[in-house]
Amino acid sequence: AQKVTQAQTEISVVEKEDVTLDCVYETRDTTYYLFWYKQPPSGELVFLIRRNSFDEQNEISGRYSWNFQKSTSSFNFTITASQVVDSAVYFCALSEADFGNEKLTFGTGTRLTIIP
Amino acid sequence: DTAVSQTPKYLVTQMGNDKSIKCEQNLGHDTMYWYKQDSKKFLKIMFSYNNKELIINETVPNRFSPKSPDKAHLNLHINSLELGDSAVYFCASSQDPPSTDTQYFGPGTRLTVL
Repeated sequence: AQKVTQAQTEISVVEKEDVTLDCVYETRDTTYYLFWYKQPPSGELVFLIRRNSFDEQNEISGRYSWNFQKSTSSFNFTITASQVVDSAVYFCALSEADFGNEKLTFGTGTRLTIIP
Repeated sequence: DTAVSQTPKYLVTQMGNDKSIKCEQNLGHDTMYWYKQDSKKFLKIMFSYNNKELIINETVPNRFSPKSPDKAHLNLHINSLELGDSAVYFCASSQDPPSTDTQYFGPGTRLTVL
């Protein structure tokens, strides 16, 4: 069974600080996909990144970066020089490449508050 | 152009009523989903449909009945609403094969049962 754990329930940082959101996953499949979604106060779910299990290269997109480590089953998300607009709930999710099991399993989310 | 749209955005109703939430996607995707987000923000899949066929039904009460008239639409009908059905319901879609593709979400429908 697949499982995603986001141990940090809430994080608050002062604007311009860097912050890392942790994500640990469990799966028995060798082929799987990891995602991060952002849910701002307005409520929509915004896709941020998708990474497959065979690609362990870190990724950077502007102020966002992701560190995927299969050895520790982690897919952590770092925001550099945080801004107030980054305040949101962030969800990590896992999908197994398994026909008949086409679903995202979400973590419980981390509420990030950026203090101006 | 909205990729995945849902109507209504807010739905307030009395216990025991029947209500529907509509979802449409214009992305040309083959697979559509319904997720439920509870008051603690926990997101869980309810159903998925691929080319109008039910793929996943995650032990959802049979008061919930999804209907897919075509690939671009997946509506959710709920009978005999209960207080515990209050939640935000998200529709999503993805390309085929769905398990490997990104799911794009609609704006959500906040259902409040009084």
